Order: sequence, then C-alpha cells, then structure tokens
Amino acid sequence: KAGVTQTPRYLIKTRGQQVTLSCSPISGHRSVSWYQQTPGQGLQFLFEYFSETQRNKGNFPGRFSGRQFSNSRSEMNVSTLELGDSALYLCASSNGQVNTEAFFGQGTRLTVV
Amino acid sequence: QKEVEQNSGPLSVPEGAIASLNCTYSDRGSQSFFWYRQYSGKSPELIMFIYSNGDKEDGRFTAQLNKASQYVSLLIRDSQPSDSATYLCARSYGNNRLAFGKGNQVVVIP
Repeated sequence: KAGVTQTPRYLIKTRGQQVTLSCSPISGHRSVSWYQQTPGQGLQFLFEYFSETQRNKGNFPGRFSGRQFSNSRSEMNVSTLELGDSALYLCASSNGQVNTEAFFGQGTRLTVV
Repeated sequence: QKEVEQNSGPLSVPEGAIASLNCTYSDRGSQSFFWYRQYSGKSPELIMFIYSNGDKEDGRFTAQLNKASQYVSLLIRDSQPSDSATYLCARSYGNNRLAFGKGNQVVVIP
C-alpha cells in the first residue's frame, strides 16, 4: 500500500513568485491536511480538505490557499512569496473520521531567496 | 496558553534505559493524542495514537493518557541509539486537524 506522496521534494523560489505543492494521500483516504514546519514556530496547521471541501483553516494569510480534487489529491498554493515562507511543508493523510491516525508525507522543502 | 505544551529540554539517556516524555494540554475538548518521531531532515513518523484514558503499549513504546490531569506521556523502554530523534506530541481536534507541541529531542548515548 503506497504511502503519502508529496511533490516536489525541494523548491527554490524568488520573493514575489508563487508556488504550487502537491500531495497524494494514502489510497482510500479522503482527508488531506497541510502543515508548515519552521525551526521557530514548529508545526503549524494550514488547512484541511475532505471530499473536495475545506473543513478547517489555520491562522495563515490569504496568500496560502489549497484545493482538493475528486481523487483526493490536494494542492496548496502560496502566492507572493516572502522570505519567511521558507519552510518544510507537510501534508497528512487520514480517512477523516474522529479518532483515527494521520500519516505524513516526506514533505516539500521550500526555500525563498 | 498554547494548546499543547512540551516543556522539557533535550533528554539524554543511556542505551537500554527508559526515556520518559511528557506533554500537557490546555482544555478539555477533543482528546485524541498522537506521538510522532521525527529524525533530522525527515517528516514525522507516527509512533502511537491514544484516545482512551490509561495506558497503551506497542512494542517498546507506552503512551499514557490522563484526562483528569490533562497530560499525555510517552515511555520508551530499552532505548536504542536509533531512538535518537525529536518526539512530537499532537492533539487532534477531529477532522484531521492536529495541534503540535514544539517537540522534545532525545539523545540515546551508547
């Protein structure tokens, strides 16, 4: 059974650009959550999608957005990149029900220069 | 107050000893908890998941949840050098939304 797949693994972008990251969840999982991890703030929740609908949103500016497709694959987009957006972006796959496990992908390391 | 607190600094334990990690939380909402292990430069790996009061054991790992005192702990028995990592405590609010503590670094000394 394949795990959670995130692409690309590494990205270098320039300030002001935009970026799109992709996450394919475990087969059969319908929930994808996105997190940002930085040394100073740790792991912070961005948003969660279930069956193509955003169910939860964290405290991030509107430059951060996402979507989910009918096959449960999800993308997140960051527009007008800032240096502070440099981080490890992780997605977590779950069946979306209460009291069930969440499994992380390998992450995308984004560097903004 | 943060939703999930992991206040202990780096923990050094000799190989074969027990490593004990603690995590406290601030309110009595949804009470499912996860322990993840994260090696440097890697993504978090799920170790334990607990939502019932009491102990849950899986191999060398035991998670303990005490809802009355609002803490969850992780014990690693017979610690191995491969256990050297950062351990993250996370609380679930349902809907695949997790709130994480800052993590505790564990160093197992051979």
